This record gives sequence, C-alpha cells and structure tokens, in this order.
Amino acid sequence: AQSVTQPDIHITVSEGASLELRCNYSYGATPYLFWYVQSPGQGLQLLLKYFSGDTLVQGIKGFEAEFKRSQSSFNLRKPSVHWSDAAEYFCAVAPWAGNMLTFGGGTRLMVKP
Amino acid sequence: GAGVSQSPRYKVAKRGQDVALRCDPISGHVSLFWYQQALGQGPEFLTYFQNEAQLDKSGLPSDRFFAERPEGSVSTLKIQRTQQEDSAVYLCASSLGSGQGADSNQPQHFGDGTRLSIL
Repeated sequence: AQSVTQPDIHITVSEGASLELRCNYSYGATPYLFWYVQSPGQGLQLLLKYFSGDTLVQGIKGFEAEFKRSQSSFNLRKPSVHWSDAAEYFCAVAPWAGNMLTFGGGTRLMVKP
Repeated sequence: GAGVSQSPRYKVAKRGQDVALRCDPISGHVSLFWYQQALGQGPEFLTYFQNEAQLDKSGLPSDRFFAERPEGSVSTLKIQRTQQEDSAVYLCASSLGSGQGADSNQPQHFGDGTRLSIL
C-alpha cells in the first residue's frame, strides 16, 4: 500500500526566508507526486506535480519540488517566503494522475513578519 | 462555473439524522472523487466515479455512507443515521480523464468542501 509521510507538523519561518517542506513516500513503482496547498476554509489548490522527466519541477507561486528516487522524497521549496504563503501544505501520491490520492498528514506553515 | 462546486458549505445536523452533500464537478470531467478530511489531518479517499459508474468505494467507512452520480455529472454523498465521528470536511474533486492512456496526466481539481458538524 502506498503511504506519505510529512515529518514536520508545524513550521514557522520569517518572511523573506527560504522554505523547505519535507515529504517521503512509500510506493512500489514510480508514483505520480503532488503538492497541494489549503488555506483556512478552502479546498486544495494544486501547486505542482511530478509525473516523469526532469526531477526538478516548477509550480505556481514560486514553488518548486525535487523528486529524489533514492531517498523516496519529494520536498517542496521556495527561496523567499511571503506572508500570504501561510497555509497548510499537503504532499500526495497516486498510481497515476487521475487515480485516488493518498495524502500525508500536512504541514502547517506560519510566517513571521 | 469554472471550478468544482460543493453545497452546502456548512451543514449542522443532530446525531441520527440523514444528510446529503452535493458536488458539481467541472463540466466535462469524467472522474469524480470524494474525500473525508478530519480536523488536523490530511484528506482520506472515500469513493471514485468514472462517469456514472462507481469504480471504487473501498474508502467508505461504513454502510451508512452512500454515493451516487446517476447521470455522470453531479454527485451526491449521503450519510445515514449520522454519528459524531462523521464530523469532518468532505471534499469533492474531479479530473478530466479516466486516468488511463492519454488522459493519465490530468490532475484532480478540488472544491472548497462541505464542513459537516454532528451535534
């Protein structure tokens, strides 16, 4: 069975600082990998996805993520965080893009002024 | 509309009542998913439709949960005899393709969810 682990439940960074959110997955083959963001009271917005090819993928809002097969990781990064980035971030895995998603427990990002 | 629409946004019910949650997917989207998100947790899969066919209902927690998509568009998630542990946000997502072949790269688009509170 596939699973996703997000080791950090909460992260606080200062505005302008860099950010890295960790994601580790367990899956028998190369999965489809996603990062979603959820603001309070809102649904999930897709930040970026990895299917194949270049292991460094660019997403919206200045986010990027790197797929590392040897570490079973798909960490999310942003070079300079803005106060509006404060939200809950979810990593997810699926056998293919249109299949059911398995989510991690999420990381809540807080941004200090 | 341009996105996935869910209604109601908030629902409060007394324990034992039946509730129905509606999802209106993006027009033309073949696949539709329901997820349950408990407070402070990630969403968990409930069920999946491809057009009107319910292909996977392995995530439904009990036989009190029932979902349908009779015309391959709007879907309804029904919970009978609600219990307090049913309190959660119920998210609906749709994707363009069936997930196979040329459509396999189409991601899911989520609605804003229905927050269900059982008193």
